[in-house]
Amino acid sequence: AQKITQTQPGMFVQEKEAVTLDCTYDTSDQSYGLFWYKQPSSGEMIFLIYQGSYDEQNATEGRYSLNFQKARKSANLVISASQLGDSAMYFCAMHTGNQFYFGTGTSLTVIP
Amino acid sequence: DSGVTQTPKHLITATGQRVTLRCSPRSGDLSVYWYQQSLDQGLQFLIQYYNGEERAKGNILERFSAQQFPDLHSELNLSSLELGDSALYFCASSPRLAGGPGGELFFGEGSRLTVL
Repeated sequence: AQKITQTQPGMFVQEKEAVTLDCTYDTSDQSYGLFWYKQPSSGEMIFLIYQGSYDEQNATEGRYSLNFQKARKSANLVISASQLGDSAMYFCAMHTGNQFYFGTGTSLTVIP
Repeated sequence: DSGVTQTPKHLITATGQRVTLRCSPRSGDLSVYWYQQSLDQGLQFLIQYYNGEERAKGNILERFSAQQFPDLHSELNLSSLELGDSALYFCASSPRLAGGPGGELFFGEGSRLTVL
């Protein structure tokens, strides 16, 4: 069964520090994509970063990077130099078999 | 701004009523997804359309129905509403069947439904 697990309901990080949000996935498919989305308190879902299952290098987008460990089936999001505006819910998602599967999210709070 | 437009943004109605949520995808996107987000259940996939045809169905109740029109906009119809239907309903679009680089979902701002 396809599944995304985010085990950290809430995380705190000091401003300007780096933080890692955990995500593990379960699929028997060989081809899949992994995505991270940010949901601020205003409610919209914002795409952050993508990693393909065949990509050998970790994806990076500005201050976001995805630590992809295929053997461990993990796709952790690393946010460097945290900013107050990073406070939000973060969702990990997997696409395979023509469907997206979302985790339950991690609430990140950046402390000044 | 993702380019996906959802209306209405907020809706308050009573149990037993019927509502229609509307979604206009990004220009050129053929694929439309509907999701329900409630506090206790996270983001639940409801249904997907691609170029007017239903492509995948998730945990969509029989009281709910959706369609995608020739101009690619989509509507989600919720009937015989119950208190538990109160949630944020998202529409998302993608240029193709999604997945892969460039195949991410672009979400609208959501329609917040409150059933009293």
